[in-house]
Amino acid sequence: DADVTQTPRNRITKTGKRIMLECSQTKGHDRMYWYRQDPGLGLRLIYYSFDVKDINKGEISDGYSVSRQAQAKFSLSLESAIPNQTALYFCATSDLGQGGNEQFFGPGTRLTVL
Amino acid sequence: GQSLEQPSEVTAVEGAIVQINCTYQTSGFYGLSWYQQHDGGAPTFLSYNALDGLEETGRFSSFLSRSDSYGYLLLQELQMKDSASYFCAFYSGGYQKVTFGTGTKLQVIP
Repeated sequence: DADVTQTPRNRITKTGKRIMLECSQTKGHDRMYWYRQDPGLGLRLIYYSFDVKDINKGEISDGYSVSRQAQAKFSLSLESAIPNQTALYFCATSDLGQGGNEQFFGPGTRLTVL
Repeated sequence: GQSLEQPSEVTAVEGAIVQINCTYQTSGFYGLSWYQQHDGGAPTFLSYNALDGLEETGRFSSFLSRSDSYGYLLLQELQMKDSASYFCAFYSGGYQKVTFGTGTKLQVIP
């Protein structure tokens, strides 16, 4: 019952490479989010989108870009990866129609930048 | 600025009760949520408080005091499977911004 999926689940890349993390959802939710998680720092919001034409920066958007290709798809790109972008990345969705209070998280992508 | 504070670690005995506190600072506050995350897993939603008072869901309860900018998560009849990290998070700016705390790692011991 994988309502929110992320690909890849693990990725090792080198400094300077461009990479894309993908998120798909079958929940029909309008809102999608990208977070990164670092030990001791909790979840920090990178970007969020309330519909296909709406993209907003979160608290740590520098070095990242996103694309909302469809209601169900929200991709995160690292244009030129650097080692301090090594982290666990989560995609999440929520439904404004249901109050938007609950966020549903994907399984995460563990990214290592060498 | 916007921030949340919660203890980094808590240890409790199986069968006991534990309270995880969360204080926050923000403007335009809409509500406080709690999430659970097991090691290697994704965060999962536990509760949401928009109004002052206690919300109960089974063994878990969540409390909010807007005047004190304070909330807590109460876990009763602790089980070993409750060992996890617990995050508080608030909504502000008309539900446009979600800010998570740094998490409290709960260890349940026999």
